[in-house]
Amino acid sequence: QQQVKQSPQSLIVQKGGISIINCAYENTAFDYFPWYQQFPGKGPALLIAIRPDVSEKKEGRFTISFNKSAKQFSLHIMDSQPGDSATYFCAASMGYGGSQGNLIFGKGTKLSVKP
Amino acid sequence: GAVVSQHPSRVICKSGTSVKIECRSLDFQATTMFWYRQFPKQSLMLMATSNEGSKATYEQGVEKDKFLINHASLTLSTLTVTSAHPEDSSFYICSATDPHSNQPQHFGDGTRLSIL
Repeated sequence: QQQVKQSPQSLIVQKGGISIINCAYENTAFDYFPWYQQFPGKGPALLIAIRPDVSEKKEGRFTISFNKSAKQFSLHIMDSQPGDSATYFCAASMGYGGSQGNLIFGKGTKLSVKP
Repeated sequence: GAVVSQHPSRVICKSGTSVKIECRSLDFQATTMFWYRQFPKQSLMLMATSNEGSKATYEQGVEKDKFLINHASLTLSTLTVTSAHPEDSSFYICSATDPHSNQPQHFGDGTRLSIL
């Protein structure tokens, strides 16, 4: 049973456009929702994260929108750049830091930003 | 920020040999370290969780005798793939938890293992 469902599987966006990736979760006990960016041959790097007490978090060109009632959250990349081309993973977990449970990852979205 | 170093970054070896991968937390003491496996174009699959000084907890379907994990110190965990076969070829990634950080896990850059 997949606890975190991510879509789309792949995404092509023109430079300057908005990239939107969606995730849905099932376990209402999750209370930490990070997004990771992974380049080929590298480990995932934390991009931005949100907790369920807020509906939106913005860091630069990256925004997470969170809908607790729908159990959905999404990543928006504004003014997408070719350098943003990577695979993006959403994840969910319970707790954080030293008391954090396992991260449950979505299947990933390969983003290609065309110049 | 917290840095996790993984070594080697790439290894190619013959079938039947054992391969050791190291995961080090460079500037923090990791209470917990995680080992993941990632197949091409797929997500990260958690293999096991290890706490310093105790036995690793393996996920269902992961052979503990095949994938030996040692977490001897708060800054070092090792994964040994024993008697490796071509089907063990994959991208192995470790992560570590810093109890003083609000970020859940810090990831290494992975090890590309190729078994001939």
